[in-house]
Amino acid sequence: AQSVAQPEDQVNVAEGNPLTVKCTYSVSGNPYLFWYVQYPNRGLQFLLKYITGDNLVKGSYGFEAEFNKSQTSFHLKKPSALVSDSALYFCAVRDRYSGGYQKVTFGIGTKLQVIP
Amino acid sequence: SQTIHQWPATLVQPVGSPLSLECTVEGTSNPNLYWYRQAAGRGLQLLFYSVGIGQISSEVPQNLSASRPQDRQFILSSKKLLLSDSGFYLCAWSVGGGASGEQYFGPGTRLTVT
Repeated sequence: AQSVAQPEDQVNVAEGNPLTVKCTYSVSGNPYLFWYVQYPNRGLQFLLKYITGDNLVKGSYGFEAEFNKSQTSFHLKKPSALVSDSALYFCAVRDRYSGGYQKVTFGIGTKLQVIP
Repeated sequence: SQTIHQWPATLVQPVGSPLSLECTVEGTSNPNLYWYRQAAGRGLQLLFYSVGIGQISSEVPQNLSASRPQDRQFILSSKKLLLSDSGFYLCAWSVGGGASGEQYFGPGTRLTVT
């Protein structure tokens, strides 16, 4: 079984400050990890993924995420938050060896509020 | 490049009426296709997935059904809507086979059952 936890329902950060949105995961094997962003009344947009290799993954809009195998975490980060980053963020995980059907498990989402 | 379309964007239907939501993908072949429902603007519930034409798997029992009549077309249906069917419906696709599995989402359909 695989699962994702996003422990913070909401994260508030001042514009220009660094932001972190937390995610921890559980899989039986090795993970593929993903971050998505959702703006109000829109579909989810893919931000970045970790497959293998460097633990620091860079993605769209200046976001990056750090894979930490020992802590089973994949936190989303950005050095300087923008008001336009305010949205709902989803972490997701897939077991690398899940076969032909790529079952992806999504977290419940974290609302990011960037304060001007 | 690949694009995914959903329609309609919004829908208001009375209880007991039928439902048909359509999703199409362009620019790729043999995608995996997914239907999700998002309630209260938060978590995603996987409803159906499909790895090929005519191959549908259901994740949760309900009064909804799905069909895949063509490679890049995915339809969500109901014969009689319930109030509890209200929500934001999202279609998504991913590359089939042994790819990493990131999913790409459509713009969604907001369904209100009255």
